[in-house]
Amino acid sequence: DAGVTQSPTHLIKTRGQQVTLRCSPKSGHDTVSWYQQALGQGPQFIFQYYEEEERQRGNFPDRFSGHQFPNYSSELNVNALLLGDSALYLCASSLVGTSGRRGAYEQYFGPGTRLTVT
Amino acid sequence: AQKITQTQPGMFVQEKEAVTLDCTYDTSDQSYGLFWYKQPSSGEMIFLIYQGSYDEQNATEGRYSLNFQKARKSANLVISASQLGDSAMYFCAMREGSYNFNKFYFGSGTKLNVKP
Repeated sequence: DAGVTQSPTHLIKTRGQQVTLRCSPKSGHDTVSWYQQALGQGPQFIFQYYEEEERQRGNFPDRFSGHQFPNYSSELNVNALLLGDSALYLCASSLVGTSGRRGAYEQYFGPGTRLTVT
Repeated sequence: AQKITQTQPGMFVQEKEAVTLDCTYDTSDQSYGLFWYKQPSSGEMIFLIYQGSYDEQNATEGRYSLNFQKARKSANLVISASQLGDSAMYFCAMREGSYNFNKFYFGSGTKLNVKP
């Protein structure tokens, strides 16, 4: 049973460029959440996708956008990269469906993508 | 105001001893969930324990227990019989609300070092 996978593992981009990060949820999960974790900080919630729609969003600018595909996998896109976007980007999956409590409980994280903006 | 506060940036504990990691939270919701995660240097977040706001008993998972004091809005993690492999960052987190789609809030973490 595959867990949450993310690609790429590491990425180096230049300020002003655009980047796309990818996440495949744990088998059986239908919801994907994205987090940004700056060095030495706790993760910050970016947004959550379910049924290909953004359902919740944290305090992040519109430069951060996402997408969820019919197979539940997801992408995080960041435009006009800033130096401050350098961070570990974590994807977490959960099962929502009709069982809210269970979905909120079972959030599994992927290994993350480390983005460096120079 | 911070949703989750972890006031111990770093902690040391002797192997085989117990250690308590502090966490306080701030919410006006009646229904919420509290989590603890472990993050080794590899970066992956590992779920440790969960406490629902309506759970009357403190949660326990093996060597981990959550000391839930609702009136004080605290959710401290207790690790019994510390092991060298417990050295890592530990994050307290909260899910607000009981609906399917929630925001999660994480604290700034506590770095635990277990000494042999």
